[in-house]
Amino acid sequence: DSGVTQTPKHLITATGQRVTLRCSPRSGDLSVYWYQQSLDQGLQFLIQYYNGEERAKGNILERFSAQQFPDLHSELNLSSLELGDSALYFCASSESFGGHEQYFGPGTRLTVT
Amino acid sequence: GEDVEQSLFLSVREGDSSVINCTYTDSSSTYLYWYKQEPGAGLQLLTYIFSNMDMKQDQRLTVLLNKKDKHLSLRIADTQTGDSAIYFCAALGDLKAAGNKLTFGGGTRVLVKP
Repeated sequence: DSGVTQTPKHLITATGQRVTLRCSPRSGDLSVYWYQQSLDQGLQFLIQYYNGEERAKGNILERFSAQQFPDLHSELNLSSLELGDSALYFCASSESFGGHEQYFGPGTRLTVT
Repeated sequence: GEDVEQSLFLSVREGDSSVINCTYTDSSSTYLYWYKQEPGAGLQLLTYIFSNMDMKQDQRLTVLLNKKDKHLSLRIADTQTGDSAIYFCAALGDLKAAGNKLTFGGGTRVLVKP
């Protein structure tokens, strides 16, 4: 158990809908990262937050947004969902902005029908 | 940007050593990692190596880094059936240029046969 928690574990929704994925980092970790794992794209970095502020952005679609709250938990919002958004979404956390050891949560499996 | 490549599949007999290979393209990568993913589970950080090191040993795991060839390998000694999983190589780029993002390879599926 990495100490990173993610909810829900599974999510099934229809095209065009909006969902929110939630992540709680390990105790004491200030940085949160979101990654997407899909069959065709593999594991891809989406976005990083550090202590509430966005610090790095990867291949994140404009339909997706994220935020980190004062209690350091993070939410990833996915809107206008398409079939191709079906994937496993991982959250990871590290101690600090430059903390290089990223610990991953169990993931949220999103299925868009 | 960074590109990380791995072979797709490795089959090994229980008790033998496994060697998983990875190549990366960005010579400014600072840390290189090995993660393990079991079915239905998240990514478990197994080990990592700093770019100025050649080798790191951690119990049954040995990481070798050839920085000149941008080649990373993970050797698992005395491979057990519980080692069957997908292993991902990942590279951490220059913090100022790329933030703290990890670039992952496509994963190597390791099957351990009894």
